[in-house]
Amino acid sequence: SQQGEEDPQALSIQEGENATMNCSYKTSINNLQWYRQNSGRGLVHLILIRSNEREKHSGRLRVTLDTSKKSSSLLITASRAADTASYFCATDSGAGSYQLTFGKGTKLSVIP
Amino acid sequence: DAGITQSPRHKVTETGTPVTLRCHQTENHRYMYWYRQDPGHGLRLIHYSYGVKDTDKGEVSDGYSVSRSKTEDFLLTLESATSSQTSVYFCAISPGQGTEQYFGPGTRLTVT
Repeated sequence: SQQGEEDPQALSIQEGENATMNCSYKTSINNLQWYRQNSGRGLVHLILIRSNEREKHSGRLRVTLDTSKKSSSLLITASRAADTASYFCATDSGAGSYQLTFGKGTKLSVIP
Repeated sequence: DAGITQSPRHKVTETGTPVTLRCHQTENHRYMYWYRQDPGHGLRLIHYSYGVKDTDKGEVSDGYSVSRSKTEDFLLTLESATSSQTSVYFCAISPGQGTEQYFGPGTRLTVT
C-alpha cells in the first residue's frame, strides 16, 4: 500500500511562477525524501528532511514537514521549463527500516 | 550521476521464458534495490539487499528472485515471465539505511 500520496496529480504553471506539491503519509517516519523524474529517466534525489526538522532549503527548493499532520510540501520557486518532470515523495517506515515507499507522483508542466 | 548501470536497457521476451536483469554499481554502496514502475501504481519495491548475500522481499516480490554475490552486482530474475511483469524496472543504490537513493536508467521489459 502507498505510504505517501502526492497532491495534486498534475500541475501546469507558467514559467516564473511558483509550484507547490503536497505529500501525505500514514505512519511515523524517520525521514521524508523528494525525488524528480524526467520522462523516460531514472529518479533523481532532490532533498531529504528528517522527522525532527520542519523546513529545509536547497537552491530554489523549499520543503516543509509537519509530523503532526503527517504531511510535507515541496515548493519550487521561479519555475523554469527544465523543471517539467514528475515529482515523488518517499517515506521510510520508522526505526530500523531499510525500505522507502514512494507515492504516485505529481506531474509538473512548466509552460515557457 | 552515481555510477550505476542496468542491462539490458530494453528487452522483449515471450511468456514463460526466464529473464535476468543486471544492476551494476561502482560506488561500493551497501544497499541495493529493485523497483518496478507502472502507470497508476508509481514505484513499487520488489526486492532489496543490505549486503552481499543478504536480501529481502519488498511489496511486490511474487514471481521474482534476486541474488547478490558481490557488492557491485544485484541480479533480478523472472523465472517464468508473465505479461503482468511488463514494466519498467529500476535499480537503486544507497550508502546507508533509509538514506537517499541513486537510481539507474531503467530497463523496459515487454513480455508478449
